[in-house]
Amino acid sequence: GAVVSQHPSWVICKSGTSVKIECRSLDFQATTMFWYRQFPKQSLMLMATSNEGSKATYEQGVEKDKFLINHASLTLSTLTVTSAHPEDSSFYICSARSPGDSYEQYFGPGTRLTVT
Amino acid sequence: AQSVTQLDSHVSVSEGTPVLLRCNYSSSYSPSLFWYVQHPNKGLQLLLKYTSAATLVKGINGFEAEFKKSETSFHLTKPSAHMSDAAEYFCVVGDNDYKLSFGAGTTVTVRA
Repeated sequence: GAVVSQHPSWVICKSGTSVKIECRSLDFQATTMFWYRQFPKQSLMLMATSNEGSKATYEQGVEKDKFLINHASLTLSTLTVTSAHPEDSSFYICSARSPGDSYEQYFGPGTRLTVT
Repeated sequence: AQSVTQLDSHVSVSEGTPVLLRCNYSSSYSPSLFWYVQHPNKGLQLLLKYTSAATLVKGINGFEAEFKKSETSFHLTKPSAHMSDAAEYFCVVGDNDYKLSFGAGTTVTVRA
């Protein structure tokens, strides 16, 4: 089956620094990837849609200058949290859209970010 | 925009008894609907999906869901709960531009 990986699985950084999270589709090409944020005991909230070779589209209320998304290849999308603050601490999950005309997405295992 | 409402935030069942997780959707057209499960500290796993084929959808681990257009519902059921079914369950609808909208989630606990 389709596998999506994320790296790192857990990262701790100091306030004011930037951290990059990678999302890879391991056995298929993904023209579209998505980034979600999940707070403890809550649902997933879509942050942005990442399309290979073009700019990401952000959901309302998501700061595009703070959450930089790059989708430079058909198997890799990155999310960079810039100038991180404690309120950015969260579980970040990526997904890749299934090839073909389908709504199905394959999800990565998530990255837990803790900003101290 | 499409949306889903999960009617129960928490469901508690005894092992071996049936499980019912309720989900209602809002959609202006024939939706794509999914149920995902999230175990603690693990990634999301697709249980099943409805994409306008059979209204009764069978998934993994004995789960199934029935699409009822007249009731705008997509409830998830399992005849006999197992301890390993304890997890968070999300009802999800496909939105515009192939985005997914997640319900708030239902926490399932299974009593021995």
